[in-house]
Amino acid sequence: DAKTTQPPSMDCAEGRAANLPCNHSTISGNEYVYWYRQIHSQGPQYIIHGLKNNETNEMASLIITEDRKSSTLILPHATLRDTAVYYCIVKGTNAGKSTFGDGTTLTVKP
Amino acid sequence: GAVVSQHPSRVICKSGTSVKIECRSLDFQATTMFWYRQFPKQSLMLMATSNEGSKATYEQGVEKDKFLINHASLTLSTLTVTSAHPEDSSFYICSAAGTVEGEYNSPLHFGNGTRLTVT
Repeated sequence: DAKTTQPPSMDCAEGRAANLPCNHSTISGNEYVYWYRQIHSQGPQYIIHGLKNNETNEMASLIITEDRKSSTLILPHATLRDTAVYYCIVKGTNAGKSTFGDGTTLTVKP
Repeated sequence: GAVVSQHPSRVICKSGTSVKIECRSLDFQATTMFWYRQFPKQSLMLMATSNEGSKATYEQGVEKDKFLINHASLTLSTLTVTSAHPEDSSFYICSAAGTVEGEYNSPLHFGNGTRLTVT
């Protein structure tokens, strides 16, 4: 599975959009991009995933560049409860293991 | 949505004893389950992959005789930490992959973790 690179930390003002980048320059054609987040002392929570088209759900939007080498997770109106570590993962088959990098610690400030 | 239940959420045991952690997929069949370990301020580290009805595949450096994994059914996997020592104290998290939506690219669903403290 391809490796990902994320900034270690980001701050965001409450109510503003949080844009979290992820680089995955070695992604292969059949690998999806997944985003999870982990709030302190809990298991990770699935947020969104996509292959090449932009995706949106009730939690967030995922923007994948045309060359698929990077993506951005967008939380449109960040709240204090969105403070967490966000992980970007690329993975192929359903049964394939997911390797977690260090993620981005997002701190939403009032 | 898909729910993974992990039990217990917190356990304290004495050095030398064994501890069993259960991971259940409540509303889907988990053909594959993964076990992770997480130390404070670190990321999740994959320990092993278990497939229903077959032996688990362990990551390099993880002792298979110490961390026994059983995946006897499509909804239950267990991790047993045998002869626990203080250095085994950690946050253990399971996740399950299934075909909730019938898609091969279904996301992982995680349990809420087990905080193990070995005294």
